[in-house]
Amino acid sequence: AQKVTQAQTEISVVEKEDVTLDCVYETRDTTYYLFWYKQPPSGELVFLIRRNSFDEQNEISGRYSWNFQKSTSSFNFTITASQVVDSAVYFCALTPNSGNTPLVFGKGTRLSVIA
Amino acid sequence: DVKVTQSSRYLVKRTGEKVFLECVQDMDHENMFWYRQDPGLGLRLIYFSYDVKMKEKGDIPEGYSVSREKKERFSLILESASTNQTSMYLCASSLEGLLDSPLHFGNGTRLTVT
Repeated sequence: AQKVTQAQTEISVVEKEDVTLDCVYETRDTTYYLFWYKQPPSGELVFLIRRNSFDEQNEISGRYSWNFQKSTSSFNFTITASQVVDSAVYFCALTPNSGNTPLVFGKGTRLSVIA
Repeated sequence: DVKVTQSSRYLVKRTGEKVFLECVQDMDHENMFWYRQDPGLGLRLIYFSYDVKMKEKGDIPEGYSVSREKKERFSLILESASTNQTSMYLCASSLEGLLDSPLHFGNGTRLTVT
């Protein structure tokens, strides 16, 4: 069975602070894909990143960076110099490379960035 | 850009009513999904479809059914709405092959059943 745990329910930071959103996953598959999505107040989930299990390179995109560590089954997301526009609910998700299995989502972390 | 359109942003229905939630995507995606989102529970998959007239149960299909008569349209049906189906409903689509294809979501329909 697949499982994604986002232990942080809500986080509040002051603008310009760095913040890390944690994601821990469980799967028995050796090949799988991990995702992060952002849900701003408008409601539409926006795709941020996809990572396959064979690629443990960390990724940086502007102020966003992702740290994938298979040894700890974690795929953490860091926002550097946070801005008010980063306020949203962030979801981590997992899909295995076996059969027609849709994404399994974590419960999300609500990030509030205060000016 | 992919556009996933959900017909209603807000709906208020009475207990026992039959409710239709419509979703249309314009990018010829094979796969379509219905999720519900509730506080503290995240997103839970209700049904999905990877082809016309095909449907698969997700994690919480009870009380729901779906229809996929055309590739671009995926309808969620509440046969007899109940108050515990008050929720945010999210439709999504993706290209063939569920594995590495990102989901594209609509804006959601907030359904209240009174």
